[in-house]
Amino acid sequence: GENVEQHPSTLSVQEGDSAVIKCTYSDSASNYFPWYKQELGKRPQLIIDIRSNVGEKKDQRIAVTLNKTAKHFSLHITETQPEDSAVYFCAVRTSGAGSYQLTFGKGTKLSVIP
Amino acid sequence: SAVISQKPSRDICQRGTSLTIQCQVDSQVTMMFWYRQQPGQSLTLIATANQGSEATYESGFVIDKFPISRPNLTFSTLTVSNMSPEDSSIYLCSVSSGTGLTGELFFGEGSRLTVL
Repeated sequence: GENVEQHPSTLSVQEGDSAVIKCTYSDSASNYFPWYKQELGKRPQLIIDIRSNVGEKKDQRIAVTLNKTAKHFSLHITETQPEDSAVYFCAVRTSGAGSYQLTFGKGTKLSVIP
Repeated sequence: SAVISQKPSRDICQRGTSLTIQCQVDSQVTMMFWYRQQPGQSLTLIATANQGSEATYESGFVIDKFPISRPNLTFSTLTVSNMSPEDSSIYLCSVSSGTGLTGELFFGEGSRLTVL
């Protein structure tokens, strides 16, 4: 099955700095790569996603890049704010017969220090 | 995105008992899933709830422990049977928008179970 590695497990940045979280995956047939943000005690919420036919996608302060050859993708948050503090999960979907589920990374706890 | 309601939102249960979690979606969806999130951990897929047929379980999860119902396209239940403290987790219902391969995945608020 798919194996998703996420790094780092924890990340502290000063407010206004950038944060980068990286994920690698094992199955070259994977074709959908979402990122979720989970605030304490709340449900995971989709913040951005990218599909395998795109190399980069940006939404205001958040961007995701995908390198299919190297099988890794990254989340970039610029101008971080205290409200960005949360646990971020990457995920991977692999196409295949009946294979619609996502495999999640172990998560990165981001702390933005005011 | 779909509005997903789960209940109970939290419960404290005694060892050996069973609890059923309900998931209601405000629109018809093809794909519904149940995930488990143990304290401080990532999300692990338990099973895919199939409408009109038996659920499809992931490795490590069995129907006797986690029976699932999916009577229609807007509702599903997950039962955690014969609970032990190791079952203390957040259980999350999720749905996929659009078709399975291209749809985004959205989560309910989760049901936090504590087993004493």
